[in-house]
Amino acid sequence: GAGVSQSPRYKVAKRGQDVALRCDPISGHVSLFWYQQALGQGPEFLTYFQNEAQLDKSGLPSDRFFAERPEGSVSTLKIQRTQQEDSAVYLCASSFGTEGEQYFGPGTRLTVT
Amino acid sequence: GNSVTQMEGPVTLSEEAFLTINCTYTATGYPSLFWYVQYPGEGLQLLLKATKADDKGSNKGFEATYRKETTSFHLEKGSVQVSDSAVYFCALKLQGAQKLVFGQGTRLTINP
Repeated sequence: GAGVSQSPRYKVAKRGQDVALRCDPISGHVSLFWYQQALGQGPEFLTYFQNEAQLDKSGLPSDRFFAERPEGSVSTLKIQRTQQEDSAVYLCASSFGTEGEQYFGPGTRLTVT
Repeated sequence: GNSVTQMEGPVTLSEEAFLTINCTYTATGYPSLFWYVQYPGEGLQLLLKATKADDKGSNKGFEATYRKETTSFHLEKGSVQVSDSAVYFCALKLQGAQKLVFGQGTRLTINP
């Protein structure tokens, strides 16, 4: 079946613009995660949803970052007033239960100029 | 805090060579340990995992043993192939937690 999909795959934003990144998890997966991966680094946790509930947002770096999953499936990560340090690959992952394997999408590469 | 440290890359080997990629961790309690792989142009994939001390995870000829006494989870393969060229990430997940904590990744290149 289809894996985790993310769109857009690439996004270039001017500093100060708002962006929205979309994640379509595997159908039926309860848990959804967002990670940020800077160039040459490992992914870093941003936030976690169980169904529509955002249970952990401890990794969001500032109040410019906001994530939602209103119907418990598709999720959107929004970054307001983008800064150069926001340039990274944003990864989405989903898992069937709360302890299951996390399946990762291909990521969205955000470049802020 | 909880963290994962991997050996610095890049690592370049010839085909059929023996591979070791070191991984050590710092964590409270008893985490589960993972190796993920990212092939060129693809997303992260789970390669293997171990959930308790002395467990050995294995997949596609790769192995790693959870060593609590040395807080390590080194990745090994006896004979690498060109198709193993990828970036490898060691990661942990604390008991009762959902998020993964990743190391910085090790880029592996296998030459024919």
